[in-house]
Formats: sequence, C-alpha cells, structure tokens
Amino acid sequence: GAGVSQSPSNKVTEKGKDVELRCDPISGHTALYWYRQSLGQGLEFLIYFQGNSAPDKSGLPSDRFSAERTGGSVSTLTIQRTQQEDSAVYLCASSLAADTQYFGPGTRLTVL
Amino acid sequence: QKEVEQDPGPLSVPEGAIVSLNCTYSNSAFQYFMWYRQYSRKGPELLMYTYSSGNKEDGRFTAQVDKSSKYISLFIRDSQPSDSATYLCAMWRGAQKLVFGQGTRLTINP
Repeated sequence: GAGVSQSPSNKVTEKGKDVELRCDPISGHTALYWYRQSLGQGLEFLIYFQGNSAPDKSGLPSDRFSAERTGGSVSTLTIQRTQQEDSAVYLCASSLAADTQYFGPGTRLTVL
Repeated sequence: QKEVEQDPGPLSVPEGAIVSLNCTYSNSAFQYFMWYRQYSRKGPELLMYTYSSGNKEDGRFTAQVDKSSKYISLFIRDSQPSDSATYLCAMWRGAQKLVFGQGTRLTINP
C-alpha cells in the first residue's frame, strides 16, 4: 500500500525566502508528526497533530515555523524568512496506533 | 543532559561480526523502546519494538531492555553489508511523542 509521501524531495532556496513542505500521510492515520534531522544529528521533534485536537507545537524552534493539517489528512510545514541554520532534512511521519510511526522519505532543504 | 544518549559512531565492522548498539536514557517514565533503521537518503523504518525489560528476538536482530540501568541495546548477528545504515533508538512514555537518540552510523565491510 501507499506509504507516507513528501514533496518536494529537495528544495534549494535563498536566505529570507519562505518555503512550504508537504506531507501526505497514510490514509486513515490520525496522527501526523514533523521532525527535523540536521547532518549527523538525531530527529528533532517539531510538531504533532492528533485528529481534531489542538496540535502540540512544543518543538517548533521559532515563530518562523508553522504547520497546518487540512481535513485531517495532508499537512504543510511552512518556514518563513528562511535562515541558513534551517538547512536540514524535514521528515514527516504518521501513525494509527500511538507507538508505531511510519516515516516519509523526507524533504532535503538547503538555504543558500 | 539529553533524555536519550546514543553514541553517533561511526562504527565499522567486518561482515559476519556481531554488532552491539546501545542507548542510555534518564527518564524512568519511558515505557516503550524502539529501534529504527535509516538508510542513506531515506526515512527511518521501525526495526524492533519492545515494552518490558528483557530480550526480544527477530531473526538476526535482538533488542534488549534493562530498565533498572536505563539501558537498551540492539544486537545484530551475522552482520551483512545490507545492514549498513544509521540506527536510531527511540523511546515513548505514552504521550504520543517519541524521543530519539542521535543515531549510530554503522558500516559492515564485505
């Protein structure tokens, strides 16, 4: 079956520009997560959506980062006024049960 | 201090060797323990999942949890070049948010 998909797979942008990253979770999965993985680092939690509940935004590093999830399915992570330190791989995961998360392939963001 | 500590390596071993990967944690509230495998330029995939202290075996892989020491391990027997990847431990305390280790980069040399 179809897994988690993310687009674009790669994104190169200039410092100061806004970017939008998209995640299509597995159909029927109620939970959706965004993580950031910098070179040589582990996964840094950014934000978590569960059903219709208010999202857990506790991991967002600054107010330049925001995310939404429309209709309980597709999610978009937006980074405004990108900085070079935002360069990383942004991973999305979805889950049905609370414990097992299925990851997408990630979006590699490079800020020049 | 990070909640989960994992040696980032890199770790390089010859084919056929037994590999031991480890994580320590500080929060005794963690109840569920996972190992994810991440190939280069791919997303992590769940490899092993354990709940209680003790061992869990799946083919060439064994996950071990010692809650009293706050220490978990992943053993790979008869390692293969296809096992070359980054291995991330992850822990969950029932709050829907996994906490990941830094990941250990493993290379199995033919």
